[in-house]
Amino acid sequence: QVQLQESGPGLVKPSQTLSLTCTVSGGSISSGGYYWSWIRQHPGKGLEWIGYIYYSGSTYYNPSLKSRVTISVDTSKNQFSLKLSSVTAADTAVYYCASQVVAASGNWFDPWGQGTLVTVSS
Amino acid sequence: EIVLTQSPDFQSVTPKEKVTITCRASQSIGSSLHWYQQKPDQSPKLLIKYASQSISGVPSRFSGSGSGTDFTLTINSLEAEDAAAYYCHQSSSLPQTFGQGTKVEIK
Repeated sequence: QVQLQESGPGLVKPSQTLSLTCTVSGGSISSGGYYWSWIRQHPGKGLEWIGYIYYSGSTYYNPSLKSRVTISVDTSKNQFSLKLSSVTAADTAVYYCASQVVAASGNWFDPWGQGTLVTVSS
Repeated sequence: EIVLTQSPDFQSVTPKEKVTITCRASQSIGSSLHWYQQKPDQSPKLLIKYASQSISGVPSRFSGSGSGTDFTLTINSLEAEDAAAYYCHQSSSLPQTFGQGTKVEIK
């Protein structure tokens, strides 16, 4: 059973780069068949999909964040990562990693990590 | 981008009552619509996939229906443990999007 766990700094200064890692256990990223996503949730608000990566390294980013987002994968560590540059207070949110089976008509997110709160503040 | 609009935003319900949450898409998405439950301080949990398909381990009082642009999540005979926020999600086209959420409170 695949499990996901986010890790990274809980506090980032404005204008700096937010960096998070998601460690996958119970399955191998390199086996293929899954997209690996980052999703965020502003305090008390709804969910925003940031983007995903396939094990090959191909990515898709939400156009709303595309200019600042990089998602990468390290199959040797069974991890994928998020970098968000030039952060402001508006990037304060709980960040989740999640996976979804690759399918022509898209698919649901399951499982999700527990989420990690990142606060942007000086 | 496909916009998902849920209604209502908030609902206060008595136990054993029936709850209906709707999700309307700004364009047709077939059946590529999924529902999640999120309890306070927890990550979202998948409730229904592809508009109406049940998920193993999810109580049978949760059901979904709809296709195209109009979808419904129904909770039959609400229980206290169902107090949560509920979100719809479309995977039909990129970027993937979520509804704004519906908070269900137990009276």
